[in-house]
Amino acid sequence: GNSVTQMEGPVTLSEEAFLTINCTYTATGYPSLFWYVQYPGEGLQLLLKATKADDKGSNKGFEATYRKETTSFHLEKGSVQVSDSAVYFCALIFTYSGGGADGLTFGKGTHLIIQP
Amino acid sequence: DGGITQSPKYLFRKEGQNVTLSCEQNLNHDAMYWYRQDPGQGLRLIYYSQIVNDFQKGDIAEGYSVSREKKESFPLTVTSAQKNPTAFYLCATRRASGQNEQFFGPGTRLTVL
Repeated sequence: GNSVTQMEGPVTLSEEAFLTINCTYTATGYPSLFWYVQYPGEGLQLLLKATKADDKGSNKGFEATYRKETTSFHLEKGSVQVSDSAVYFCALIFTYSGGGADGLTFGKGTHLIIQP
Repeated sequence: DGGITQSPKYLFRKEGQNVTLSCEQNLNHDAMYWYRQDPGQGLRLIYYSQIVNDFQKGDIAEGYSVSREKKESFPLTVTSAQKNPTAFYLCATRRASGQNEQFFGPGTRLTVL
């Protein structure tokens, strides 16, 4: 079956540090890939996505590139802020030829803590 | 005010009771999903529905039931057969065919006493 593996947390960084959260996947075929963010007590918000190999998703200073050869989708940000503290989830999905889709397959999440 | 509504935010029930969680959307999205979140487990798919009057089991459907009588609504019933029902439950929707992003509601935290 499909699976997503993320680096274990918590990840603790100082403000303005460089961030990398690793994500690799196992799947038969080429899924679409996503990063979602969850703030305490809330639902998930879509952060960025990529739908095919070599696509780069970006949003709010975060970036991730779909690497087919390494089956990876690592999340990066050049300078983190305290407000980036949250839990980050990597996820994948397959879309059918008719346009339908099953549910997302998620990693276990990485808790990011940014200290002032 | 458009979006996905899950109510209530916190729900308490006694062991052995069935409980129904509400999910309503006014985004006119076709597909709706239910996920369960446990600490350190990520999110796992319970049920999903691509169109009205049709739904499919996800990875952990045992002990749960759903209905999809209206496009806007996808209630989830947690039955007494669910062994460990205490969790955070998240509803999500997806746009029309070809769009694969899912949008999440604020969640309901269910505690079974």
